[in-house]
Amino acid sequence: RKEVEQDPGPFNVPEGATVAFNCTYSNSASQSFFWYRQDCRKEPKLLMSVYSSGNEDGRFTAQLNRASQYISLLIRDSKLSDSATYLCVVNPGGGWGKLQFGAGTQVVVTP
Amino acid sequence: ETGVTQSPTHLIKTRGQQVTLRCSSQSGHNTVSWYQQALGQGPQFIFQYYREEENGRGNFPPRFSGLQFPNYSSELNVNALELDDSALYLCASSVKLAGARETQYFGPGTRLLVL
Repeated sequence: RKEVEQDPGPFNVPEGATVAFNCTYSNSASQSFFWYRQDCRKEPKLLMSVYSSGNEDGRFTAQLNRASQYISLLIRDSKLSDSATYLCVVNPGGGWGKLQFGAGTQVVVTP
Repeated sequence: ETGVTQSPTHLIKTRGQQVTLRCSSQSGHNTVSWYQQALGQGPQFIFQYYREEENGRGNFPPRFSGLQFPNYSSELNVNALELDDSALYLCASSVKLAGARETQYFGPGTRLLVL
C-alpha cells in the first residue's frame, strides 16, 4: 500500500464550478499535512497547510480527518488558472522533514 | 518565487557516468531536502541535510550522496548512473525549529536524462 494515495483524475471542471477531491495516508502518526500545486514540468508550490480544524484560503478549503486518515481539498468558483496537478503531502514526523507525496490529482478547468 | 535556485536546469548523461546537481537555499533556511520525481509520479524523498549533516534518508542506494555547505547550499551526487535515474531532481529548503511545523519550498528542479 502506498503511503499517500490520490485519485489521479483528471477532474474536468467547468469554469466557475466547484471541485473536491481527497487523499488518504497510511501512517496514523503523521504530524502535518499540506497541499502543493504543480504545473506541467514545473516545481511543486505550496498551496496551503492543512490544520486539524480545517482551514480556508480564498476559494480553497482543506479538511483533515485523522480518524479516517484522509485529507480533502475543495476549490470553489474554479478559474482556468486552477488547472494543475494537486499533490497531497504528509509529514510522517519522527523529528525530521521527510515529506511523503501522493502522485497527484490532475484538475482541468474548461471554459 | 521561493528564492531556491538549482543548477543546471537540464542535463544529459550516459549510463555509468557521475553527476553533481547543485542547490542554493532560500536565505535564512538551514535545512535542505532532495527529492526525485519520475514522470507521472510524486516526488520521492532522497535525503535531508541539516547544519551540514545528513538528517534522514529515503529508500535510495548509497550511490546517491549529498553535501551541505556552511552557507547552506547543497549538492546531490549520483554515481554509476542508471537509466532509471532519469527524472526531475528537486531540492527544497526549510527552516527547522523545535516544535514548529516545517514548510519546504522547492527550487525549479534539474531535469536529468540518462541515455
